[in-house]
Amino acid sequence: GAGVSQSPSNKVTEKGKDVELRCDPISGHTALYWYRQSLGQGLEFLIYFQGNSAPDKSGLPSDRFSAERTGGSVSTLTIQRTQQEDSAVYLCASGLGGETQYFGPGTRLLVL
Amino acid sequence: EDQVTQSPEALRLQEGESSSLNCSYTVSGLRGLFWYRQDPGKGPEFLFTLYSAGEEKEKERLKATLTKKESFLHITAPKPEDSATYLCALLRGGGNKLTFGTGTQLKVEL
Repeated sequence: GAGVSQSPSNKVTEKGKDVELRCDPISGHTALYWYRQSLGQGLEFLIYFQGNSAPDKSGLPSDRFSAERTGGSVSTLTIQRTQQEDSAVYLCASGLGGETQYFGPGTRLLVL
Repeated sequence: EDQVTQSPEALRLQEGESSSLNCSYTVSGLRGLFWYRQDPGKGPEFLFTLYSAGEEKEKERLKATLTKKESFLHITAPKPEDSATYLCALLRGGGNKLTFGTGTQLKVEL
């Protein structure tokens, strides 16, 4: 079956611009996660959605980062006023909550 | 604080040369220990979940084991297509996020 999909696959932007990253989870998965992978570092948790519950935003690094999940399916991660340190691979994962997480291919963000 | 440490950082093997990757962890109440494979430019691909000490799981040339402090990923008679970065992650009881190690970059040569 179809896996997690993310778009765009690559994004180059200028410092100070806003970007939106999209994630389509596996059909039927109630949980959705965003992680960030910087060069030479491990994956870093950003945010978690589960059903209609309030999201766990504890990993968002600053108030420039926000995410929403519409209709319990598609999610958008928004980064406002991008900085060069935001350059990383942004990975989305989905699952059934509290168990195995299945990852998408990621969006490679480069902030110039 | 939950911690995951993987070793070695990089490993080069000859085809057919078996070895093990290590994942040491500290957590208060483990819910699951996960192994993923990541190829360059791709997202992590799920391999195994281990839940309790003594548990073992196998898939082709890979076998994952778990103790109360460590997990090992044993690779038997590896092939060049096994070359990838192998990631270990833990999920604490009652938690939502995976805590990842920085991975072991494996290269298998002919």
